[in-house]
Amino acid sequence: GAVVSQHPSWVICKSGTSVKIECRSLDFQATTMFWYRQFPKKSLMLMATSNEGSKATYEQGVEKDKFLINHASLTLSTLTVTSAHPEDSSFYICSVREGKLFFGSGTQLSVL
Amino acid sequence: AQKVTQAQTEISVVEKEDVTLDCVYETRDTTYYLFWYKQPPSGELVFLIRRNSFDEQNEISGRYSWNFQKSTSSFNFTITASQVVDSAVYFCALSLSGSARQLTFGSGTQLTVLP
Repeated sequence: GAVVSQHPSWVICKSGTSVKIECRSLDFQATTMFWYRQFPKKSLMLMATSNEGSKATYEQGVEKDKFLINHASLTLSTLTVTSAHPEDSSFYICSVREGKLFFGSGTQLSVL
Repeated sequence: AQKVTQAQTEISVVEKEDVTLDCVYETRDTTYYLFWYKQPPSGELVFLIRRNSFDEQNEISGRYSWNFQKSTSSFNFTITASQVVDSAVYFCALSLSGSARQLTFGSGTQLTVLP
């Protein structure tokens, strides 16, 4: 199955800064990747579908300008949290579909 | 729209007990896939099983077993002889057919296995 690498595992940043999270499909060319957000004790919520070579598809309520997604190659999608605020603190996780969905290890973002 | 309900928010059992995690789903589609994922404290999501809507055979994998019943729209997960390492949040999820469809997750069940 697909191996998905997500980096960094955790990041602490100051309010107002931007943070980039990378999601790599190591052994599978992924035209589509998915970004999820998980709040403490909550289920995962799909934020957006990242499409290689085209614009991402955002779920209702997700700010496109806040959460920038770039899928420039078949193996890499990035999520940039721009001008991060404490309310953006969360666990972000990406996934790749190769038959089944394979998930990255997640990124814990803490905004001070 | 699809919906997945995991009514049990938290379950605690003592090691070696059997435990069943409930999952009820809603969808109008006739073709769909059901999943179970395990999320240990470290955070990563571990795939456990995928079952398509046309296969109602129950499945057993070691201490894990799954009971899929379309008549009640349920896909329950049983751990036999639970172990401390089974402690995690378990998510049930539903996906419609199609290459770009995302999963709809249940809210998860926190399982704690006490020694």
